[in-house]
Amino acid sequence: DAGVIQSPRHEVTEMGQEVTLRCKPISGHNSLFWYRQTMMRGLELLIYFNNNVPIDDSGMPEDRFSAKMPNASFSTLKIQPSEPRDSAVYFCASGIAGVVYNEQFFGPGTRLTVL
Amino acid sequence: QKEVEQNSGPLSVPEGAIASLNCTYSDRGSQSFFWYRQYSGKSPELIMFIYSNGDKEDGRFTAQLNKASQYVSLLIRDSQPSDSATYLCAVTGDSNYQLIWGAGTKLIIKP
Repeated sequence: DAGVIQSPRHEVTEMGQEVTLRCKPISGHNSLFWYRQTMMRGLELLIYFNNNVPIDDSGMPEDRFSAKMPNASFSTLKIQPSEPRDSAVYFCASGIAGVVYNEQFFGPGTRLTVL
Repeated sequence: QKEVEQNSGPLSVPEGAIASLNCTYSDRGSQSFFWYRQYSGKSPELIMFIYSNGDKEDGRFTAQLNKASQYVSLLIRDSQPSDSATYLCAVTGDSNYQLIWGAGTKLIIKP
């Protein structure tokens, strides 16, 4: 099993540019999570999908952030326009909804730097 | 606001000793409890979960849960330098998918 795949692994961009982060969850998983991690705020849930449908997007910071999951094997997180305060590590995680222990498997993350 | 509290550390433990990591949570309704390990520059990985009061052992790791006192702990026996990492405590929130995360405790095992 390849695990959760994220691309790119590193992204450096200038303020105002559009950034698109990509995620391929583990095959057979029906839950997908986008997280952001910073030293100051720790791990924050941005959005949760279940069976490709966005269930909870209350963590999305503002309208500049959007996420899609067109099918069970692909999701994107887009930031437009990007700002320096968006600099963070963005993780995608997948799991199986409904199991008692609710384990989430994390991808390697995308380290985003906005100059 | 539901919270999970952890001492940020760093917690320094000699090699071979027992490392004890603690976590308290605010929501009495939380049902499942997780310990994730995160090496520097890497992603979190699950090492233990527990949902019943008491102890759960897995190799050198023991998770302890006390719902009455709202704390969960992780013991690492025979600590190794490779155990040096940040340990994140997470508990379930209002819904079955939501995890509330602590800020993590940085553990350093000194050879």
